[in-house]
Amino acid sequence: DAGVIQSPRHEVTEMGQEVTLRCKPISGHNSLFWYRQTMMRGLELLIYFNNNVPIDDSGMPEDRFSAKMPNASFSTLKIQPSEPRDSAVYFCASSSRRGYTFGSGTRLTVV
Amino acid sequence: AQSVSQHNHHVILSEAASLELGCNYSYGGTVNLFWYVQYPGQHLQLLLKYFSGDPLVKGIKGFEAEFIKSKFSFNLRKPSVQWSDTAEYFCAVNPNGGNTGKLIFGQGTTLQVKP
Repeated sequence: DAGVIQSPRHEVTEMGQEVTLRCKPISGHNSLFWYRQTMMRGLELLIYFNNNVPIDDSGMPEDRFSAKMPNASFSTLKIQPSEPRDSAVYFCASSSRRGYTFGSGTRLTVV
Repeated sequence: AQSVSQHNHHVILSEAASLELGCNYSYGGTVNLFWYVQYPGQHLQLLLKYFSGDPLVKGIKGFEAEFIKSKFSFNLRKPSVQWSDTAEYFCAVNPNGGNTGKLIFGQGTTLQVKP
């Protein structure tokens, strides 16, 4: 099992550009989560899906952020337009009854 | 507001010292509790979890945690820390119980162990 796979590992982009983060959950896991980690705010839950359906997106900071899960094996988190304050590490996690597994994260830097 | 609070933001210990990291939560009802560790530059790894039963939970690498329902607490302990325990530690709560549903994390505690 390759675990939760996130891409890219690092992303540096200019302010105003669109950024797309990708996540492949563990096969058979029916829930998927997007978290953002910063020094100031720690780990914040942005959105989570159950069986590909968004259940709770109350953590999405603003309309510039959007997330999709078109099928059970793929999810994206998009920021358009990006701003320097979006700089953070974004983690994807998936879960089943056996537990949660986190990906290695995408370190996003917006300059 | 419902939350998870970790009291210690930064802890510095010498090797062989004992460790206790505090965690309190404010959710009522059935909750499931977790401690995760994040080594520098890595992703979160599960140390231990509590769902029900014995309130003293043993995890990996010699860590344990005690669930005290009356105090809404789930403190992490280790009798003797090692330099390799240097990492960030997160307490997390699933306010709806179970292994699915959202996890709410505390702010994290950075542990620095001096050799």
